[in-house]
Amino acid sequence: GQQVMQIPQYQHVQEGEDFTTYCNSSTTLSNIQWYKQRPGGHPVFLIQLVKSGEVKKQKRLTFQFGEAKKNSSLHITATQTTDVGTYFCAYNQGGKLIFGQGTELSVKP
Amino acid sequence: AAGVIQSPRHLIKEKRETATLKCYPIPRHDTVYWYQQGPGQDPQFLISFYEKMQSDKGSIPDRFSAQQFSDYHSELNMSSLELGDSALYFCASSLRLAGGEQFFGPGTRLTVL
Repeated sequence: GQQVMQIPQYQHVQEGEDFTTYCNSSTTLSNIQWYKQRPGGHPVFLIQLVKSGEVKKQKRLTFQFGEAKKNSSLHITATQTTDVGTYFCAYNQGGKLIFGQGTELSVKP
Repeated sequence: AAGVIQSPRHLIKEKRETATLKCYPIPRHDTVYWYQQGPGQDPQFLISFYEKMQSDKGSIPDRFSAQQFSDYHSELNMSSLELGDSALYFCASSLRLAGGEQFFGPGTRLTVL
């Protein structure tokens, strides 16, 4: 079945540094979503990308969908301690979400 | 704004016992999903319902069953519990025509001893 691979598994940064997580698929995706899960919390929807080469920004967060629609990235500029959590990419396959493995971000003040 | 409600939030059971998890979706949402998340893992899709009918099924053991009731709440029934069933169980809801965003509940943490 459709799988999405996500790297890195962990990322430790100093507050103020940038952070990027990458999501890759061997096949073309019709869409990609990003969710954030705080420690002890539940996944919270951040954004959905559907167009080839799409770039969307939310304050310090930049989301990209590759031209071939096989990869996506989430970039956070100047991380803050409030960015701590696990970031998941997910592919919406007819309603059900197929998640990547997630990238756990820790931010040292 | 109303969110997805799940109960109980924590549940401790012995092996071979039965558990029932409940989910109350956001009002007017027509689709409910169940996911299982093991420690350090990503959420795995179990089953979904659209307008009270089962719409899709994932890696759900035969020991598990689920249904959605006339008031749109859903229940996940788990029998003959095994140690490996210990996990976080999330319910999510969405409005099918609104696009792909799913709203997750706070989850039920099931511990099987």
